Amino acid sequence: GENVEQHPSTLSVQEGDSAVIKCTYSDSASNYFPWYKQELGKRPQLIIDIRSNVGEKKDQRIAVTLNKTAKHFSLHITETQPEDSAVYFCAASPFTGGGNKLTFGTGTQLKVEL
Amino acid sequence: DGGITQSPKYLFRKEGQNVTLSCEQNLNHDAMYWYRQDPGQGLRLIYYSQIVNDFQKGDIAEGYSVSREKKESFPLTVTSAQKNPTAFYLCASSIEGLGSPLHFGNGTRLTVT
Repeated sequence: GENVEQHPSTLSVQEGDSAVIKCTYSDSASNYFPWYKQELGKRPQLIIDIRSNVGEKKDQRIAVTLNKTAKHFSLHITETQPEDSAVYFCAASPFTGGGNKLTFGTGTQLKVEL
Repeated sequence: DGGITQSPKYLFRKEGQNVTLSCEQNLNHDAMYWYRQDPGQGLRLIYYSQIVNDFQKGDIAEGYSVSREKKESFPLTVTSAQKNPTAFYLCASSIEGLGSPLHFGNGTRLTVT
C-alpha cells in the first residue's frame, strides 16, 4: 500500500517568513495530493490540493509543488502569519477505480512566532 | 446547517467493553470514513464506505467494526479485541470520487482504562 513520509515534524518560523513542508510517497499510482490544516482543538480542513497532471498550484499565500518523478510534493506558505500556526497533514491517494482513500503523512506542527 | 456530527465528544470505557462511536452527516455524501489520530502518527484509516450497505477495511481495521445501514450514518464499534483503543477518532464524509474533499467531524476522544 501507499506510504507517505512528512518532514519536518515541527517547524518554527518568524512572522513574515516562508515555511516549507515536504512529503514523499511510495505508490507511483498515486495521482491526488491534498493538504489539510488542523488548528488546535479543531477538525482538519482542506487548504489546497494538486493532481498529478499539474506541477504547481497556488492559492494566495499557499502553493503546492509536485515532482512525480521523484515522488515528492511540498507545501509552501509565504508571508506567514500567527493564524497559520497549526498542524499540517499531507496525503496521497491512488486511483483505485472509485473512492477517495487517502493515506496521510504524520503531520507538521507549524508555529509562527511574533 | 449542513455538516457532520460526532458524538459524544469524550467517551470513557473500562477495558474489555465494546463501545460505539456515532457519526451522522446531512451533506448527502455517499462516502464516509473513520480515521484514528494518535500523536506523531497522523491520521490512519480504519474503515470506509462508498455506498450504503457496503464498506471496506482501511489500514488498521483490526479490533473495529462498522455498519452502513443508512446514507447519513456510519457508526464505529471499538471492540475489546482492539489492543490500544485509547485515541482520538475522526469521522469524515465526501462526495464519491477521487479528489473530493473530506469533511471531518469534530472527533471523539475515547479513553479506555
